[in-house]
Amino acid sequence: KNEVEQSPQNLTAQEGEFITINCSYSVGISALHWLQQHPGGGIVSLFMLSSGKKKHGRLIATINIQEKHSSLHITASHPRDSAVYICALSLDDKIIFGKGTRLHILP
Amino acid sequence: KAGVTQTPRYLIKTRGQQVTLSCSPISGHRSVSWYQQTPGQGLQFLFEYFSETQRNKGNFPGRFSGRQFSNSRSEMNVSTLELGDSALYLCASSLGGGIISGANVLTFGAGSRLTVL
Repeated sequence: KNEVEQSPQNLTAQEGEFITINCSYSVGISALHWLQQHPGGGIVSLFMLSSGKKKHGRLIATINIQEKHSSLHITASHPRDSAVYICALSLDDKIIFGKGTRLHILP
Repeated sequence: KAGVTQTPRYLIKTRGQQVTLSCSPISGHRSVSWYQQTPGQGLQFLFEYFSETQRNKGNFPGRFSGRQFSNSRSEMNVSTLELGDSALYLCASSLGGGIISGANVLTFGAGSRLTVL
């Protein structure tokens, strides 16, 4: 069983829709990261969470440590949000990555 | 301030050769970590350096090595290249404790895309 699972793998939505991407994991972590990767390959760190909820502009990230689950929400989605979103777990001696969610926002 | 700089951005090598990639972190960042990204395996952790010491290493063969200099710049080397080493190699820098402790946000470079023929 993979230590980290993301869902959905692919998501296409219309501009303006509310988007939710999920990350479930099965190991103890010190933190969880949400990353955004655009087609050119560059990765941007969106959030680092160890508890609770964080908000930055239209992006909201939550984590439930007891349920080992995190969600990334995008409100009022826009075509420029089209990217791959990756969940990453910081463990004691390594960092492991989800397979990513490919998001496509249609204008 | 300048971001994380990786050089070269693109390179082509043949099997059996070796390659050295460079990563200059954000000024003041002391931790540099390296990652390999392939279509099949996704992102995988290679190693992390802090103050010139390798602190953690991923599950890669000994052909993959790295080092960090006193100015925090880091290099990674892959010897005896194989076709499967074709990938995007990314580095990231962070303040202080580094990514393993989860204490710091990562800032990624644009990557070095290696093609092995």
